[in-house]
Amino acid sequence: AQTVTQSQPEMSVQEAETVTLSCTYDTSESDYYLFWYKQPPSRQMILVIRQEAYKQQNATENRFSVNFQKAAKSFSLKISDSQLGDAAMYFCAYRSASHALTQGGSEKLVFGKGTKLTVNP
Amino acid sequence: DADVTQTPRNRITKTGKRIMLECSQTKGHDRMYWYRQDPGLGLRLIYYSFDVKDINKGEISDGYSVSRQAQAKFSLSLESAIPNQTALYFCATSAIGGRARNEQFFGPGTRLTVL
Repeated sequence: AQTVTQSQPEMSVQEAETVTLSCTYDTSESDYYLFWYKQPPSRQMILVIRQEAYKQQNATENRFSVNFQKAAKSFSLKISDSQLGDAAMYFCAYRSASHALTQGGSEKLVFGKGTKLTVNP
Repeated sequence: DADVTQTPRNRITKTGKRIMLECSQTKGHDRMYWYRQDPGLGLRLIYYSFDVKDINKGEISDGYSVSRQAQAKFSLSLESAIPNQTALYFCATSAIGGRARNEQFFGPGTRLTVL
């Protein structure tokens, strides 16, 4: 079974600075997807960025970028020019790319335990 | 209007009571999921459904049941609620095809407290 580990329960950053959140995962599969979700105090789960394992290029979305190291099974999130609105819980998630529905749950997300990010003014 | 809605948003109930959490979606997605979030544990899958006739258990299905009444509706029931089912519950949907099939869309969550 796949597992996702976020080793930093809490992180803090100064406004306008850069912060990196860590995520590692364990899988025997070669094709999969990785995600970072943001959960602000409103509780809503918001997709921040996604990465397809078959793509070598790191995904970017405005101030958010990832460092995807497939061999090391590492998927860190970098937030540049941090803003007060970035304060939230951040969850790393894994999803198999397997199309075999008979295996059951191949499209479920496996989440890490989350990292709480505080942005200081 | 929200694409994925959950009712109620908050609920307090007593041990032993039956309770149903409802999820509706207007995204036209076939796949729907129920997750549970506990502090320090992230989200864990309870049940998932790939279509109206397909229901599957997730990693923590004990004490829960589900019903897929229609493509757009997926409800989660606690037949006899117990305090350790106090948690935040999320419904999510995903598409079969297209670029969006890689992404799950979440509802706003239901905060359930069992006394």
